[in-house]
Amino acid sequence: GQNIDQPTEMTATEGAIVQINCTYQTSGFNGLFWYQQHAGEAPTFLSYNVLDGLEEKGRFSSFLSRSKGYSYLLLKELQMKDSASYLCAVTDSNYQLIWGAGTKLIIKP
Amino acid sequence: DGGITQSPKYLFRKEGQNVTLSCEQNLNHDAMYWYRQDPGQGLRLIYYSQIVNDFQKGDIAEGYSVSREKKESFPLTVTSAQKNPTAFYLCASRDFAGGDSGELFFGEGSRLTVL
Repeated sequence: GQNIDQPTEMTATEGAIVQINCTYQTSGFNGLFWYQQHAGEAPTFLSYNVLDGLEEKGRFSSFLSRSKGYSYLLLKELQMKDSASYLCAVTDSNYQLIWGAGTKLIIKP
Repeated sequence: DGGITQSPKYLFRKEGQNVTLSCEQNLNHDAMYWYRQDPGQGLRLIYYSQIVNDFQKGDIAEGYSVSREKKESFPLTVTSAQKNPTAFYLCASRDFAGGDSGELFFGEGSRLTVL
């Protein structure tokens, strides 16, 4: 079966750095997405990785290792507004998106 | 501005009633999707459509129906056969049905509550 694993919940302090991991086992791989979702709202796109390595976009970075079936989202200089769920999704060989359950990130002052 | 519009945002339904959730996009995207999200869970695919007049069942299609008569529109009907319909429903679209990238754009969601 296809599976994506993320931690259920993480807590971090305002101003700090946090890394949210995602491991996947899918039938084929055509890219990995990270989305942010605030409570009661729709997900918004953060990043897309299809090749190995680190993609940096402001305070957010995303890393991919295809050989390990592993990605992480790195958030720097955490702000209270970063409190949200972070969803990892993989595009499989049929170009269908497989979603993880999401990681709820709680930021404390 | 281009985007996806879902309506209604909140909907209450009595047991045994069918309800239809609207989804319209003006992004000229080929592919459209309906997801269901329950508390603490990820997105589960109900139906998707890659082209007008064609659609495919997702992982949890039972009790739901869709149509794709126009490129811009992909309404979802939650029928009385859906045993536990209370959930947050998200419509999404993307430019390519296949190929790389193909970021998914989401509507604001419709929250359905069965009384």
